[in-house]
Amino acid sequence: KQEVTQIPAALSVPEGENLVLNCSFTDSAIYNLQWFRQDPGKGLTSLLLIQSSQREQTSGRLNASLDKSSGRSTLYIAASQPGDSATYLCAPETSGSRLTFGEGTQLTVNP
Amino acid sequence: DTAVSQTPKYLVTQMGNDKSIKCEQNLGHDTMYWYKQDSKKFLKIMFSYNNKELIINETVPNRFSPKSPDKAHLNLHINSLELGDSAVYFCASSPSGGSRDTQYFGPGTRLTVL
Repeated sequence: KQEVTQIPAALSVPEGENLVLNCSFTDSAIYNLQWFRQDPGKGLTSLLLIQSSQREQTSGRLNASLDKSSGRSTLYIAASQPGDSATYLCAPETSGSRLTFGEGTQLTVNP
Repeated sequence: DTAVSQTPKYLVTQMGNDKSIKCEQNLGHDTMYWYKQDSKKFLKIMFSYNNKELIINETVPNRFSPKSPDKAHLNLHINSLELGDSAVYFCASSPSGGSRDTQYFGPGTRLTVL
């Protein structure tokens, strides 16, 4: 059974900082791994999807890396902004399109 | 233009009642999902359908029954509601359910059982 852990659980930083969110998973037999953000009272928005054969994906100020064999992924956010404040969730996908979510990292970027 | 929509957004009801949550996607996707996010914010998959066929059926009480009248709709019916059913329920869809697909989520339905 896949288990996903995200560290830290919460993070508060001043605007402009570069930061790293960590995700670890127990079952390395994954097809891909997705990073989502969830704003309070809202649904999830997909940020990045990394295929199991890839090492990283980039979108704007976001960069996600994947080390499948060690069961780790990181989300790097460059030059953080107050609008980045949200909960960030990682979700590796195993067979049958089954996503397993971590509990998330709650990020607050202070102006 | 709403990609994945859910109704209602909020649902407050008494224990023992039967209720339904509706989900529709206008993305032309083949696969749809239901997730439950509990009070601790843990998000877990409940069901998925591909072209109206049940693909994933996690360990969910029989009181929960998904229904897919067509591939654009996946409704969730809950019988004999219990206090522990209080949660936010999210619908999602993906193009084909394949490993290259991003899942697109609806805004959620907050269910409160009194």
